[in-house]
Amino acid sequence: AQTVTQSQPEMSVQEAETVTLSCTYDTSESDYYLFWYKQPPSRQMILVIRQEAYKQQNATENRFSVNFQKAAKSFSLKISDSQLGDAAMYFCAYGKGNNNDMRFGAGTRLTVKP
Amino acid sequence: DAGVIQSPRHEVTEMGQEVTLRCKPISGHDYLFWYRQTMMRGLELLIYFNNNVPIDDSGMPEDRFSAKMPNASFSTLKIQPSEPRDSAVYFCASSLGLGRGYYGYTFGSGTRLTVV
Repeated sequence: AQTVTQSQPEMSVQEAETVTLSCTYDTSESDYYLFWYKQPPSRQMILVIRQEAYKQQNATENRFSVNFQKAAKSFSLKISDSQLGDAAMYFCAYGKGNNNDMRFGAGTRLTVKP
Repeated sequence: DAGVIQSPRHEVTEMGQEVTLRCKPISGHDYLFWYRQTMMRGLELLIYFNNNVPIDDSGMPEDRFSAKMPNASFSTLKIQPSEPRDSAVYFCASSLGLGRGYYGYTFGSGTRLTVV
């Protein structure tokens, strides 16, 4: 079974600074997808960024970028120029498009200090 | 599209009562998922449907839980009888599966269930 591990239960960052959230996963597959979801206090799960495993180029979405290391099975999220609105739980997730069963990590709670 | 719509947003019920949670997926999405989120266990997949057919219900905790998807635009998750340990946030999510266009799930805003 595929597992997703987020080793940092909590992280904090100063506003305008950069923070990196860690995620590792275990799989024997070669073709899969990785995601970061944000869950603010409103509890809505929002897709932040998506990475296709067959692409070597790291995905970026504005201030959010990933460091995808396929051999190491690592998928970290970097948030640049952190804003107060970035404060939330962040979940790393692994999925395969053919069976649609996505696995989630336990989450990292990010606090942004003004 | 209005996204995945769940109702109610909050539900408080007494132990032993029947609870029904509702979900309207995004039009055109052929997969629908029910998740439960608790502090202790995180996000747990309960059941998912493909084209209205239940595919995997191995995550359903016990016979008190049942889910249906009578058509492509509506699904329910029912708990009967409810117990305090069922208190959690229940999420519905939908997606388009298959192929290089896989964008994961779109979640609803969840139903916070409290059983007293």
